[in-house]
Amino acid sequence: EIVMTQSPATVSVSPGERATLSCRASQSVSSSLAWYQQRPGQAPRLLIYGASSRATGIPARFSGGGSGTEFTLTISSLQSEDFAVYYCQQYNNWPMYTFGQGTKLEIK
Amino acid sequence: EVQLVQSGAEVKKPGESLKISCKISGYTFANYWIGWVRQMPGKGLEWMGIIYPGDSNTRYSPSFQGQVTISADTSISTTYLQWSGLRASDTAIYYCAKLSGPMGVWFDPWGQGTLVTVSS
Repeated sequence: EIVMTQSPATVSVSPGERATLSCRASQSVSSSLAWYQQRPGQAPRLLIYGASSRATGIPARFSGGGSGTEFTLTISSLQSEDFAVYYCQQYNNWPMYTFGQGTKLEIK
Repeated sequence: EVQLVQSGAEVKKPGESLKISCKISGYTFANYWIGWVRQMPGKGLEWMGIIYPGDSNTRYSPSFQGQVTISADTSISTTYLQWSGLRASDTAIYYCAKLSGPMGVWFDPWGQGTLVTVSS
């Protein structure tokens, strides 16, 4: 099983600042990585697929990068609605998907 | 617009059976994989299994193989997740999601979730 590890578990950032979240795979997943946002009390929402492609309707302040085993999600200027939990998911080993444990982005 | 609408919250006792549903609209149900994901209280996301409604091809995560059954009814564009004997540890929110991309690899969009509470 491919294990996905996200860091940090919690990050505190002020509105308007930049946040960078990390996701590491236990083995190479090429660019087969997605990012999701989950706001409190809501279902997850796809943000990024293919490691760096934004999903439909996702603002340009969200960007994904990386390949192989190291990935990042960057939010360039945090808005109030961005404070949420973010999950990465690998799909290189179809259909044995695995999610990271999540990073909580909180207001500083 | 693609929509996944899940059945309502359930409260069950240990040992009882349960079947929850996810009704799809906005695309040809039979032609895309659908997945189920568990989220235990305060925890992260766990992939449970997927089904291709067109031929009922089903794949399970090893963690959930034998613990749940996923099925689909193409006549009413609905997929189901069922248990034959619930345990307290099955208490969680369960999400269905359409699998998008080549071969169905990322989850988009998601249903609103069904809260299942198992308690004596």
